[in-house]
Amino acid sequence: SAVISQKPSRDICQRGTSLTIQCQVDSQVTMMFWYRQQPGQSLTLIATANQGSEATYESGFVIDKFPISRPNLTFSTLTVSNMSPEDSSIYLCSVGRGGTNEQYFGPGTRLTVT
Amino acid sequence: QQPVQSPQAVILREGEDAVINCSSSKALYSVHWYRQKHGEAPVFLMILLKGGEQKGHEKISASFNEKKQQSSLYLTASQLSYSGTYFCGTELLDNYGQNFVFGPGTRLSVLP
Repeated sequence: SAVISQKPSRDICQRGTSLTIQCQVDSQVTMMFWYRQQPGQSLTLIATANQGSEATYESGFVIDKFPISRPNLTFSTLTVSNMSPEDSSIYLCSVGRGGTNEQYFGPGTRLTVT
Repeated sequence: QQPVQSPQAVILREGEDAVINCSSSKALYSVHWYRQKHGEAPVFLMILLKGGEQKGHEKISASFNEKKQQSSLYLTASQLSYSGTYFCGTELLDNYGQNFVFGPGTRLSVLP
């Protein structure tokens, strides 16, 4: 497994602003993922972030809105840009371990946009 | 392609058994199972890769059918700690390494 921390744990932001969420892992990992989860809903993959390459975004998510950095094997950031109330959600990072990429999740960042 | 999970929700008494199903219209490379308690992050339970595979984890086990299109999670002699939402996550066989998708989830409530 892995120990994963996220900052901030929660935030309330005004529309039009941006928030950067940090994800720190206690060991080096190749694959990191960013998810969004609405209350009571499933997890939706935003993008996959591999160190040394550009993030791969899922359909419906674009780099201008959700820029991701992956400067090394233990850290990644997700920025939610030009926020609107529809961006209110829980954002989770996860890491893939083992050859089959079983995933271990951070505690999440609860974002509220007013 | 999001897998289908059934049932959507189930309520049990302690000691009762439950089965949660996860199915796809296409053959799968892998099925992952996760449990998420309210207000917490999902926790990995197990992964199945081979058709016909069965795997156990204490009183929680899972199977993957021969066609690799359906998996079932078995919870036996349920405990209060089993309450939460169970998600399967799948990768398609013909798109391995891409498009990992979580199912909609099954909410399990275990009552005393």
